[in-house]
Amino acid sequence: SQTIHQWPATLVQPVGSPLSLECTVEGTSNPNLYWYRQAAGRGLQLLFYSVGIGQISSEVPQNLSASRPQDRQFILSSKKLLLSDSGFYLCAWSVAGKGEQYFGPGTRLTVT
Amino acid sequence: GQNIDQPTEMTATEGAIVQINCTYQTSGFNGLFWYQQHAGEAPTFLSYNVLDGLEEKGRFSSFLSRSKGYSYLLLKELQMKDSASYLCAVRRGSTLGRLYFGRGTQLTVWP
Repeated sequence: SQTIHQWPATLVQPVGSPLSLECTVEGTSNPNLYWYRQAAGRGLQLLFYSVGIGQISSEVPQNLSASRPQDRQFILSSKKLLLSDSGFYLCAWSVAGKGEQYFGPGTRLTVT
Repeated sequence: GQNIDQPTEMTATEGAIVQINCTYQTSGFNGLFWYQQHAGEAPTFLSYNVLDGLEEKGRFSSFLSRSKGYSYLLLKELQMKDSASYLCAVRRGSTLGRLYFGRGTQLTVWP
């Protein structure tokens, strides 16, 4: 069966510090991978998606970036965090060509 | 862009039936999804409709009318554990599986 991992679970970072969140998927090959952010009281916002190694598409211009160095690894980064980057970050995967997305446990980021 | 609307909050009592509506406006529609999200947790997949009609899965059913841009999630025999946010999401056929989510409906089930 497939599982998806995210770490860390919670993170408190000062404004201006860098960020690296990691997501890995087990039990499947060549998944589509997604990063979402959910701010308090708001819906899920798609940030990045990837259909293969090194292939990243951005949905929203911002100070975040994503990379996919391996087939089942997806990384979300920032060089300098802003207060507005606080939120619940969720990684998800789907089978290529299928619609259902399955979410990881999430990382709750607080920028202070 | 996508406009996805659902009520912000709903309440119901244990054992009752509740219907959560979702309307959408999008081009290239290719499926509607419902997710359940408990407070502080990740969303979990509930149902998927791509053709008009009703899909039933145990206590949960989901309906789609593509011509009306309308879907609903029906929850029967409500239990306290059904208290959660219910997210409606639309997939566009041109976008390689990307989902666009509504803001969610917070359902509270009272004893």
